[in-house]
Amino acid sequence: DAGVTQSPTHLIKTRGQHVTLRCSPISGHKSVSWYQQVLGQGPQFIFQYYEKEERGRGNFPDRFSARQFPNYSSELNVNALLLGDSALYLCASSLGTTGYSYGYTFGSGTRLTVV
Amino acid sequence: GENVEQHPSTLSVQEGDSAVIKCTYSDSASNYFPWYKQELGKRPQLIIDIRSNVGEKKDQRIAVTLNKTAKHFSLHITETQPEDSAVYFCAASLYNDMRFGAGTRLTVKP
Repeated sequence: DAGVTQSPTHLIKTRGQHVTLRCSPISGHKSVSWYQQVLGQGPQFIFQYYEKEERGRGNFPDRFSARQFPNYSSELNVNALLLGDSALYLCASSLGTTGYSYGYTFGSGTRLTVV
Repeated sequence: GENVEQHPSTLSVQEGDSAVIKCTYSDSASNYFPWYKQELGKRPQLIIDIRSNVGEKKDQRIAVTLNKTAKHFSLHITETQPEDSAVYFCAASLYNDMRFGAGTRLTVKP
């Protein structure tokens, strides 16, 4: 029984480049949320997708975008990378859109380093 | 938007003692309050959560209390063990985004 899977696990990119991170939710889960966790801080909400539609967006610039596919997997894209984008990017899977109803399960994350 | 503050930022206890971590939130409409444990280099793992229609919840050595009037909630760990050492995060949410506290690094000394 697979949990939330994210790929790649680690990534090193140069400033100005573009990156794509991938997430596969738990089987049967239709919601994927993306979080950015800078070292020493709590995760910060970036996006939530449910049934292929964006259901929420955090306070991140337009360089960040995401999408969800018919199989409920998701991609997070970041353009024009900055040093400050270096972080652990976490994907959270849920049956629905609200924590109150369903709770969230996190994947192991992608560690992005921008040099 | 929601703002979550967490205290203390670091906590050191002797094995067998209790540990308490406190969080306050700003949006009185928030209705879901999870606690996550994150070990170094690993994903946050849900250890306990509480919903706004409940004042207290317990799971073995872990308990969470919620005071909606004061807008604060707390994590209580009893009979701490060295394997409880980790960073603990509280969070609060209403709809689809969770706002996290800054974390508490708990060290349990044998």
